[in-house]
Amino acid sequence: GQQVMQIPQYQHVQEGEDFTTYCNSSTTLSNIQWYKQRPGGHPVFLIQLVKSGEVKKQKRLTFQFGEAKKNSSLHITATQTTDVGTYFCAAPPRNGGSQGNLIFGKGTKLSVKP
Amino acid sequence: NAGVTQTPKFQVLKTGQSMTLQCAQDMNHEYMSWYRQDPGMGLRLIHYSVGAGITDQGEVPNGYNVSRSTTEDFPLRLLSAAPSQTSVYFCASSYRTGFNEQFFGPGTRLTVL
Repeated sequence: GQQVMQIPQYQHVQEGEDFTTYCNSSTTLSNIQWYKQRPGGHPVFLIQLVKSGEVKKQKRLTFQFGEAKKNSSLHITATQTTDVGTYFCAAPPRNGGSQGNLIFGKGTKLSVKP
Repeated sequence: NAGVTQTPKFQVLKTGQSMTLQCAQDMNHEYMSWYRQDPGMGLRLIHYSVGAGITDQGEVPNGYNVSRSTTEDFPLRLLSAAPSQTSVYFCASSYRTGFNEQFFGPGTRLTVL
């Protein structure tokens, strides 16, 4: 079945370093969503990207959607300890389907050393 | 608005016991779903509902039942708990379809001995 592959699975950074997680698909995505889950918490929606080549920013977070709409990235500039957590991408399946269920990547777990 | 609420927060069961995980939302969302989260496995869809009276299976439905008698509530039933069902369970809802922003509940951490 269709999958969205996320890399890396884990990332350890020193506070102040940058961080990037990537989400890749073998098929064209209609849109992609990003979620953040703090340790012990629940996933929280961050953003949705729809257009080819779209770039959106939220303070130190930059989200990109590839020109071919097969990949996406989340970049955090100058990480802080508050950025710790797992970041998930999610996308609708290629065939759309009537159910409207998102397919989630397995996530990238970010740890930040003070 | 309370958003999506789940009870209980923690639960320990013995193998073979049954129980119901409760989920409710006050946002009048048509779409509701249940996920389980295991280390390294991400979020896997168990069951979902596109509206009251309509439910369907997700990726990992075996051992679980659901019903949707109202828009607000979407309980998940474990029929005969097994150690393989030890996991964190999240309920989620979204406006109209599952393609929209998902609002997750705080989760239920279940241990089956």
